[in-house]
Amino acid sequence: GENVEQHPSTLSVQEGDSAVIKCTYSDSASNYFPWYKQELGKGPQLIIDIRSNVGEKKDQRIAVTLNKTAKHFSLHITETQPEDSAVYFCAASLFAGGTSYGKLTFGQGTILTVHP
Amino acid sequence: KAGVTQTPRYLIKTRGQQVTLSCSPISGHRSVSWYQQTPGQGLQFLFEYFSETQRNKGNFPGRFSGRQFSNSRSEMNVSTLELGDSALYLCASSLDSGYLIPTEAFFGQGTRLTVV
Repeated sequence: GENVEQHPSTLSVQEGDSAVIKCTYSDSASNYFPWYKQELGKGPQLIIDIRSNVGEKKDQRIAVTLNKTAKHFSLHITETQPEDSAVYFCAASLFAGGTSYGKLTFGQGTILTVHP
Repeated sequence: KAGVTQTPRYLIKTRGQQVTLSCSPISGHRSVSWYQQTPGQGLQFLFEYFSETQRNKGNFPGRFSGRQFSNSRSEMNVSTLELGDSALYLCASSLDSGYLIPTEAFFGQGTRLTVV
């Protein structure tokens, strides 16, 4: 089955700096890669996603890049703010019916701390 | 539009008991997935339901079961609770157009289950 590795496990940056979180996946057939932000006491919140036919996607201060050949994808947050502090999860999924329905395989998470 | 609603938010149960958790998806969403989140294992897929049918199941023992009703609301049940079942149980709903096009999964705030 799919396996997703996420690095680093913790990341500490100063306000205004950029933060980068990287994930690798094992199943070359995976075609959907979302990123979630989870704050204390809350469920994961979808912040950005990318499909396998796209190499990069941006949404204001957040961007995601995908390298299908190397089977890795990354989250980039620019101009970080204290409210960006949270746990970030990457995930991979295969949308092809059959046994892949509804299943997201998650990385282990990255605790991001943005210091004022 | 209301988000994914999970009830109850917190539960304390005794070993050997059973528990039922409820999830109301976003209006119009027909796919409901369940995940278990623990500090040691992270986010793990339990099962997914669509139109009252289980389409996919993760690697959990048969004590974990679920169902979906005609209004897309879903319940999951854990029988003969063990201490290791203590976790945050998350429900996610997605639109699932049926065309095998990736659709976003939106999570509820979860039910925190503590087994004593």
